[in-house]
Amino acid sequence: GAGVSQSPSNKVTEKGKDVELRCDPISGHTALYWYRQRLGQGLEFLIYFQGNSAPDKSGLPSDRFSAERTGESVSTLTIQRTQQEDSAVYLCASSLGRDYNYGYTFGSGTRLTVV
Amino acid sequence: GIQVEQSPPDLILQEGANSTLRCNFSDSVNNLQWFHQNPWGQLINLFYIPSGTKQNGRLSATTVATERYSLLYISSSQTTDSGVYFCAVDWTDSWGKLQFGAGTQVVVTP
Repeated sequence: GAGVSQSPSNKVTEKGKDVELRCDPISGHTALYWYRQRLGQGLEFLIYFQGNSAPDKSGLPSDRFSAERTGESVSTLTIQRTQQEDSAVYLCASSLGRDYNYGYTFGSGTRLTVV
Repeated sequence: GIQVEQSPPDLILQEGANSTLRCNFSDSVNNLQWFHQNPWGQLINLFYIPSGTKQNGRLSATTVATERYSLLYISSSQTTDSGVYFCAVDWTDSWGKLQFGAGTQVVVTP
């Protein structure tokens, strides 16, 4: 696609429910990244994929968070048993990959509110 | 991990003014990017600049890797330049894990 697409754009969920956030990267971008931004704060790294492999999962806040990617396409970030502190904007980005000196393209984000 | 410090934290400019934003980092980097987050939250990549100088319209950036800093210049500022400017780096053995600074909040007044 022309840009990085994220869905849903907004999600309100009850505490304890599971949520799935989706990211469609730019076609041909082998690398995909998930970040979290709490209100008024900077971006916090969660996980990145090179292809469908996730070499670094150290940013995932807890075992309630998981992510997967299908080939070099769609990625899903799943949060189980959501807590109020999970409320944030979840941003996805993609890039051409390690061997290319190009910057990241971010999606518009999913605003998650846990009530 | 690497430390990324941005200054100033806040900047108020009158339309037409020039400004310089600074990013200091604590270790050698493989990747340095500048982003603009507009008031609606959209993050736009401005520059990929681990070293050297680049220009794009009224914006330019310089990274002096040996001295571990980068500068973003905004010339003839416009109200559409308002937002938060982030510097982000990754470093040796941490490819893919961009560390963001806290950002500089810029407000351009008419």
